[in-house]
Amino acid sequence: EAQVTQNPRYLITVTGKKLTVTCSQNMNHEYMSWYRQDPGLGLRQIYYSMNVEVTDKGDVPEGYKVSRKEKRNFPLILESPSPNQTSLYFCASRDSLYNSPLHFGNGTRLTVT
Amino acid sequence: LAKTTQPISMDSYEGQEVNITCSHNNIATNDYITWYQQFPSQGPRFIIQGYKTKVTNEVASLFIPADRKSSTLSLPRVSLSDTAVYYCLVGPNTGGFKTIFGAGTRLFVKA
Repeated sequence: EAQVTQNPRYLITVTGKKLTVTCSQNMNHEYMSWYRQDPGLGLRQIYYSMNVEVTDKGDVPEGYKVSRKEKRNFPLILESPSPNQTSLYFCASRDSLYNSPLHFGNGTRLTVT
Repeated sequence: LAKTTQPISMDSYEGQEVNITCSHNNIATNDYITWYQQFPSQGPRFIIQGYKTKVTNEVASLFIPADRKSSTLSLPRVSLSDTAVYYCLVGPNTGGFKTIFGAGTRLFVKA
């Protein structure tokens, strides 16, 4: 089944403790992206990647890192999480051909205390 | 990137047709219009996409006037399960780009 898989689904951590949220897609998509969703603010893009070793900042990249060493994986790294990074995070991917739509994962709900 | 404007919320009743309009005055020549649906605690799901005139699939129709400065998502005969947030996105037909989701339109379908 074609899908975008995020792990974990839920994560509670403390301020300053490094964490990684994994994202993997099995559709051979070139493009992958991370979003955070907060009440009243819709989805905001954190980082995106057009292909392996090519990443770029979205609208809210501060406090986050990403890497794209393999086509299928696009982990989101929080080196020193803070409470304002408590949010619902979504990973998405799409094919770069023509104008294919985004495929989203089921989300990761992160709480930083 | 073209900015989009949608109503914040809409209410409807089961069985009615719902039309959600999105304004995108600065749409570029190579931009497509894409609509997504999102249920609580789930990732957005693609509904429909178009460039001009009218597009229809098994879920919805998308009407785009000649000037392309707006578009209307039409959901025929909605049911309670259509209660969701609907997002309108405008972007180029090239792979890999910065995407901007607005706040979307929260549709509430009542029995």
